[in-house]
Amino acid sequence: GNSVTQMEGPVTLSEEAFLTINCTYTATGYPSLFWYVQYPGEGLQLLLKATKADDKGSNKGFEATYRKETTSFHLEKGSVQVSDSAVYFCALRSSASYGKLTFGQGTILTVHP
Amino acid sequence: GAVVSQHPSWVICKSGTSVKIECRSLDFQATTMFWYRQFPKQSLMLMATSNEGSKATYEQGVEKDKFLINHASLTLSTLTVTSAHPEDSSFYICSVEGFTGETQYFGPGTRLLVL
Repeated sequence: GNSVTQMEGPVTLSEEAFLTINCTYTATGYPSLFWYVQYPGEGLQLLLKATKADDKGSNKGFEATYRKETTSFHLEKGSVQVSDSAVYFCALRSSASYGKLTFGQGTILTVHP
Repeated sequence: GAVVSQHPSWVICKSGTSVKIECRSLDFQATTMFWYRQFPKQSLMLMATSNEGSKATYEQGVEKDKFLINHASLTLSTLTVTSAHPEDSSFYICSVEGFTGETQYFGPGTRLLVL
């Protein structure tokens, strides 16, 4: 079956630090990969996505590259801000799962001034 | 992307009562909606897939008689938690499948507290 594994959190960084949140997956077929962000007290928002191998998704300074050879989709940002403090979820959607999303466990990010 | 609303955003009820949560797609017609629950500091667990005009498809382990889903129109799906108990307290989130079927757009969630 499909599964997503994210790095254990929480992650605490100082403002302007470099961020990496690791995400690896197992899936049948050729999945699409997503990063969602959940700010405190809010629902999930799509941050970025990639639909095929070697695609790079990017948004708001965040990037993630779909690596089929390592089955990974690591999230990176060169300089985090306090406003990036949130929970980040890696997710996949495979054609074999009838549109269902499989989520990782989420990584809590806290950025201090 | 799609705009999805949920109502109410926050509800407290007594044990044994039923609670209805609405999920609306505000800017396009959605044939498929999903219902998730999220426990504190945990990931989202898919409860069921709601298809307009047909019965919902429930995930393994989810009681369909307890969590009633009605997707009566292309813009509205409802989740009714029947005879709620304290263990049903959770954050319930709906999502709408986008026009291309590739991306899901999430509502802001409904926090349920059963006393």
